[in-house]
Amino acid sequence: DTGVSQDPRHKITKRGQNVTFRCDPISEHNRLYWYRQTLGQGPEFLTYFQNEAQLEKSRLLSDRFSAERPKGSFSTLEIQRTEQGDSAMYLCASAQVGRASSEQYFGPGTRLTVT
Amino acid sequence: GDSVTQMEGPVTLSEEAFLTINCTYTATGYPSLFWYVQYPGEGLQLLLKATKADDKGSNKGFEATYRKETTSFHLEKGSVQVSDSAVYFCALNDSGGGADGLTFGKGTHLIIQP
Repeated sequence: DTGVSQDPRHKITKRGQNVTFRCDPISEHNRLYWYRQTLGQGPEFLTYFQNEAQLEKSRLLSDRFSAERPKGSFSTLEIQRTEQGDSAMYLCASAQVGRASSEQYFGPGTRLTVT
Repeated sequence: GDSVTQMEGPVTLSEEAFLTINCTYTATGYPSLFWYVQYPGEGLQLLLKATKADDKGSNKGFEATYRKETTSFHLEKGSVQVSDSAVYFCALNDSGGGADGLTFGKGTHLIIQP
């Protein structure tokens, strides 16, 4: 499968714990995006990378959230001191910017439940 | 800021019925517009897109026309099938070309009954 993959698919954690999610984009894609989706809502943009550089962060991305893409390939999203309000589906997408179509391809998501 | 408003669901139709899902947007610039679909148990997939006024995006029998004068991008299909049952999201990107973060509507759950 050469699509976007995310790991884990599901994560249950206790309030106050730290969690880290991983996203592996389509291999030749230079842009990688993170979104958050809560029940009954559309995805909300969090941040994106061009290669290894983080170019934009939404105001939704509090200080407890940090994302990295150290070698311009896979990315991690860490949430520190999780809160119940962090419970959501975290989506990753990738795109090859510069081609005629810069369609964002989405992964299956990581569902986080904070108890 | 940018926003997308789409009709509330669920929308329930019989097979072969005509479908319209309304979508209107607010943007500061000249956005690109998209419809994404999420089938049960699957990730978001791009259904169609339009990048300038009067463009018509089409795919799998679905169509949507970029109407700048009414800031709308309504999704239509002439004859729906049970397999079209899914959640449909209207989205925009305000930086041209769809390269940056997308702004999504809340989604419309479509249910097609045989």
